[in-house]
Amino acid sequence: AQSVTQPDIHITVSEGASLELRCNYSYGATPYLFWYVQSPGQGLQLLLKYFSGDTLVQGIKGFEAEFKRSQSSFNLRKPSVHWSDAAEYFCAVGAYSGAGSYQLTFGKGTKLSVIP
Amino acid sequence: NAGVTQTPKFRVLKTGQSMTLLCAQDMNHEYMYWYRQDPGMGLRLIHYSVGEGTTAKGEVPDGYNVSRLKKQNFLLGLESAAPSQTSVYFCASTINFYEQYFGPGTRLTVT
Repeated sequence: AQSVTQPDIHITVSEGASLELRCNYSYGATPYLFWYVQSPGQGLQLLLKYFSGDTLVQGIKGFEAEFKRSQSSFNLRKPSVHWSDAAEYFCAVGAYSGAGSYQLTFGKGTKLSVIP
Repeated sequence: NAGVTQTPKFRVLKTGQSMTLLCAQDMNHEYMYWYRQDPGMGLRLIHYSVGEGTTAKGEVPDGYNVSRLKKQNFLLGLESAAPSQTSVYFCASTINFYEQYFGPGTRLTVT
């Protein structure tokens, strides 16, 4: 079965600083990987996804992520954080469920706080 | 185009009561999902549906039932609520599995 680990429960950065959120996955085949963001009191919004090809993927809101197969990682980065980026971030791996559908398995999330 | 909507937004139940959460989507998506979100646990899949009239169990299905009588609606039922079912429930839908569109959530408290 697939799994996702987000080692950092809570990260605090200053506005304008760079950001890297870590994600490690476990999956037997080529993974489909995702990052979602959840603002307080809201549902989840897809930031970016990786299926194949270029290992550096660009997403919305200036985020990017790099897939490293050798490290089983899919870390999320942003060069300069804005106060509006304060939210909770979830990494997820997609896998075929065998019942005609794919399922997402989510990590436990990393809460990002931004200091003005 | 409302996307994915959930009804109700908040609910307080007493132990043993029943209720149904409604998820509706207007994007003609085949796949629909119910998740629960608990602090420090991320999202966990309860049940899902690959099309009208079909449902399947996810990671944490016990204590819940679902129905998908119409393509646009996915209902989650709690027959006898327990305090352990206090959570935030999210519905999601997708046409192609990888971009799931999430509803705003239902916050349920069971006392």
